[in-house]
Amino acid sequence: EPEVTQTPSHQVTQMGQEVILRCVPISNHLYFYWYRQILGQKVEFLVSFYNNEISEKSEIFDDQFSVERPDGSNFTLKIRSTKLEDSAMYFCASRPRDREADTQYFGPGTRLTVL
Amino acid sequence: GESVGLHLPTLSVQEGDNSIINCAYSNSASDYFIWYKQESGKGPQFIIDIRSNMDKRQGQRVTVLLNKTVKHLSLQIAATQPGDSAVYFCAENGTGGYNKLIFGAGTRLAVHP
Repeated sequence: EPEVTQTPSHQVTQMGQEVILRCVPISNHLYFYWYRQILGQKVEFLVSFYNNEISEKSEIFDDQFSVERPDGSNFTLKIRSTKLEDSAMYFCASRPRDREADTQYFGPGTRLTVL
Repeated sequence: GESVGLHLPTLSVQEGDNSIINCAYSNSASDYFIWYKQESGKGPQFIIDIRSNMDKRQGQRVTVLLNKTVKHLSLQIAATQPGDSAVYFCAENGTGGYNKLIFGAGTRLAVHP
């Protein structure tokens, strides 16, 4: 069964450094998302991406964040200058274009630790 | 504002019993709801979904009930098993056209032998 994959599973970085989190969505999906989950808290929406552009973003997704779909398979989240409060699990999700298929399928996540 | 919340943070049940996990939502314009299961260290795993034109939907051992009058969602798990132990999140699709999901706080289900 196809699934969303994410790399790395765990990323440790120093405050102020840039990180890139990578995702490979399910191949026939057209909507892509990033969410984050701070330890012990609920999952929070960051950004949605469709047709090679951001379709919606949350207040969390400030100028330090960017997303890209550099090729036909990868979907990346970049944090330009990490802060301590960026430490969280980051989940990628994707869903088909079909209006009746609203289900978003999540990857296993990348744990980001900012020191 | 948009919000989804849960009534109980932790639910403990005996193996074999039925479990009911509840969720309240505030956005009456949401028309799609999902229950996810999250095991430790893993991503949210889809369990079951329901559209606002339905009151009930059944899956394998799981049933979701939607009460639009009081904006309440519940997940029923029949014959709960140890493998059901996890955190369960309800989510709604909000009003955005691209269907971002708004998650509730989560309920931890602990199944005891």
